[in-house]
Amino acid sequence: GAGVSQSPSNKVTEKGKDVELRCDPISGHTALYWYRQRLGQGLEFLIYFQGNSAPDKSGLPSDRFSAERTGESVSTLTIQRTQQEDSAVYLCASSTGWQTQYFGPGTRLLVL
Amino acid sequence: QKEVEQDPGPLSVPEGAIVSLNCTYSNSAFQYFMWYRQYSRKGPELLMYTYSSGNKEDGRFTAQVDKSSKYISLFIRDSQPSDSATYLCASGDMDSSYKLIFGSGTRLLVRP
Repeated sequence: GAGVSQSPSNKVTEKGKDVELRCDPISGHTALYWYRQRLGQGLEFLIYFQGNSAPDKSGLPSDRFSAERTGESVSTLTIQRTQQEDSAVYLCASSTGWQTQYFGPGTRLLVL
Repeated sequence: QKEVEQDPGPLSVPEGAIVSLNCTYSNSAFQYFMWYRQYSRKGPELLMYTYSSGNKEDGRFTAQVDKSSKYISLFIRDSQPSDSATYLCASGDMDSSYKLIFGSGTRLLVRP
């Protein structure tokens, strides 16, 4: 079956522009996560969606970052007024239980 | 101090060697521990999950947790070139079980 997919796979943008990253979770997975991975660093938790519950946004680094999820399907992560320090790989994961998160391949964002 | 520390490597070993990968953590509330493998330009995949202290074995992989010293290890027996990847440890507590704290990863190279 299909795994977690993310688009675009690569994104180059200019400082100050807005970007939108998309995640398609595995069908039936109620939980969805966004992480950021800077070069040579571990994964940094950004946001967690679980069913119809209010999302845990505690990992979002600033108010320029926001995320939405439509029901138990697609999620979009939006970064407004991008800065060079936003350059990273943005990973999405989905799961049924929290122990096993299935990750997508990530979106590589480069802000010039 | 990061909550989960991991030597970045790279660690280079000959094929067939026993590999030891290690992490330390600082938060006494952490109760579960995971090891992920990440190939280049791919998302992480869960290898092992352990809860509390002790050992857990799965094929060539053994995960070990020593909560008294806040030390977690992953051993790989009979290492193969296909094991060459970055290995990430992650920990979490039961209050926010989905919010994993990741180490920065150790790059492993298994030479044929």
